[in-house]
Amino acid sequence: DAGVIQSPRHEVTEMGQEVTLRCKPISGHDYLFWYRQTMMRGLELLIYFNNNVPIDDSGMPEDRFSAKMPNASFSTLKIQPSEPRDSAVYFCASKSTNSGNTIYFGEGSWLTVV
Amino acid sequence: AQSVTQLGSHVSVSEGALVLLRCNYSSSVPPYLFWYVQYPNQGLQLLLKYTSAATLVKGINGFEAEFKKSETSFHLTKPSAHMSDAAEYFCAVSESGGSYIPTFGRGTSLIVHP
Repeated sequence: DAGVIQSPRHEVTEMGQEVTLRCKPISGHDYLFWYRQTMMRGLELLIYFNNNVPIDDSGMPEDRFSAKMPNASFSTLKIQPSEPRDSAVYFCASKSTNSGNTIYFGEGSWLTVV
Repeated sequence: AQSVTQLGSHVSVSEGALVLLRCNYSSSVPPYLFWYVQYPNQGLQLLLKYTSAATLVKGINGFEAEFKKSETSFHLTKPSAHMSDAAEYFCAVSESGGSYIPTFGRGTSLIVHP
């Protein structure tokens, strides 16, 4: 089975540019999560969806960040405008209520804003 | 409310020595408990999980963890460390009251010396 698929794996962008990170969860999973990992803050939950509906976005740092899940197989995390402090690894993860509630992570999107 | 504390941000062992990574949790109901491993430049991978069955859980790569309710602990052990075990290890807890949304610890970096 394919795992959680994220793109791009690496992105370097200039401050002020828009960044869009993409995620395809594991087929059949009803929860999707976006995390951010930095040395300073560790692993932070930004937002999660259940059945494509955003449930908790209290971890989203500020209005520059937005996330959507237009269907069960696709989600985006957008940063506009990007800032150097947004440089981090962004992970998408998914889980299924009906199969043990184990969360599975993608390989991450490594973002550098210069 | 659920929470996780990982004692020690770094643990250093010699190759062949016992590995012990500590995790204490707080949960108002019987929890699910997880250990994840993150190798350099990769995503988090499930190492093992406890879901109220046997209290001693065996995972991949020779790791195991024991659920001790009286101590609210779920420490990760491996009898003999290999160089390839060097990685970041995360403990996580989830519970029914929180829709099984996991809370992660800050992580413990395992360093293995030759």
